[in-house]
Amino acid sequence: GQNIDQPTEMTATEGAIVQINCTYQTSGFNGLFWYQQHAGEAPTFLSYNVLDGLEEKGRFSSFLSRSKGYSYLLLKELQMKDSASYLCAVGDSNYQLIWGAGTKLIIKP
Amino acid sequence: SQTIHQWPATLVQPVGSPLSLECTVEGTSNPNLYWYRQAAGRGLQLLFYSVGIGQISSEVPQNLSASRPQDRQFILSSKKLLLSDSGFYLCAWSHTPGEGTDTQYFGPGTRLTVL
Repeated sequence: GQNIDQPTEMTATEGAIVQINCTYQTSGFNGLFWYQQHAGEAPTFLSYNVLDGLEEKGRFSSFLSRSKGYSYLLLKELQMKDSASYLCAVGDSNYQLIWGAGTKLIIKP
Repeated sequence: SQTIHQWPATLVQPVGSPLSLECTVEGTSNPNLYWYRQAAGRGLQLLFYSVGIGQISSEVPQNLSASRPQDRQFILSSKKLLLSDSGFYLCAWSHTPGEGTDTQYFGPGTRLTVL
């Protein structure tokens, strides 16, 4: 079957670093996506990894290991506005996205 | 640049009433289009997707239907709403496979409450 696992909730402190993990088992692989979703709003695209390694975009970085079926999203210098849910999604062999349930990140001052 | 619109933003409907939600995309042609539902505190559930005019694939059997009358227009409908249809409905678009990544871009969503 197809499965994506990520923690339900994480808490971190303003100014700190947090790593949100995602493991997946899917039929086919056409890239791994991270989205940010603030409460009551639509998801917005953060990052895309199709090759192994680290992709950096400002305070956000995303890592992929295809052999391990593993990715993480790294958020540095946390700000209160980073409080949101972070969704991991994998493109399958039919070019559809398989979605994780999301990780709710709570930032404390 | 591409933009995606959804309306209405919020909707309160009685059980048994019909539903029509509309989504339009600007700035791209022949996009793949998607309808998702998100229950409170839950993940995204794919309802329908379309690769072209009149081509609709259903992922979950239910009392909802979708139509794509024009290249950049996607409509979600129901003849009779159920209480369980309440949720946050999201429309998304992506490039046709081979013309870019499969990144999906979401509209602002419609929050539907069925009473």
